[in-house]
Amino acid sequence: SAVISQKPSRDICQRGTSLTIQCQVDSQVTMMFWYRQQPGQSLTLIATANQGSEATYESGFVIDKFPISRPNLTFSTLTVSNMSPEDSSIYLCSVASATTYGYTFGSGTRLTVV
Amino acid sequence: DQQVKQNSPSLSVQEGRISILNCDYTNSMFDYFLWYKKYPAEGPTFLISISSIKDKNEDGRFTVFLNKSAKHLSLHIVPSQPGDSAVYFCAASGYSGAGSYQLTFGKGTKLSVIP
Repeated sequence: SAVISQKPSRDICQRGTSLTIQCQVDSQVTMMFWYRQQPGQSLTLIATANQGSEATYESGFVIDKFPISRPNLTFSTLTVSNMSPEDSSIYLCSVASATTYGYTFGSGTRLTVV
Repeated sequence: DQQVKQNSPSLSVQEGRISILNCDYTNSMFDYFLWYKKYPAEGPTFLISISSIKDKNEDGRFTVFLNKSAKHLSLHIVPSQPGDSAVYFCAASGYSGAGSYQLTFGKGTKLSVIP
């Protein structure tokens, strides 16, 4: 299965600033997914990043708050903009597995907004 | 409205005994179910899956049972080992339109295996 490198692994950010999370995959993939896991909550899909087109956002998530880039088939970034303490979460990128019906996840970015 | 529910946030089991993690779902369009294991500071890793056409899938110490009529699945770990201590997520997959499948996760159950 694909190997995903995600960084930063964690960060503490000031309210009102922005953080960009990077995700590098060791193979070409069509779709990359960004998830959020708030404390005590399930993993929630933020958006699907397609190479060469705009990302597709799930209900409750908007491009202005979570802009996504997908410049090629192995890389994507998620930016958390104008952060507030409510954005404190673990953010994970993911790709569909080629060998199972499941997904492979990055190691996550633990974000704390103060 | 949570479509995938793991009602037990935590579970403690003695080493060598059976661990049973439960998951309920509400969406009858889900046709594939997966379990993920997550250690602290790591992303979830795929553990085992089951298609809706089956009622059991076994892989070593891990067995997943699916009861479609009850919309319930469970993960059995036998025998449980201390290294199994992790958070286990149940996930369900279903067609979400436009040629894509969406994965919906439960909140997770933290399993602690006591030596």
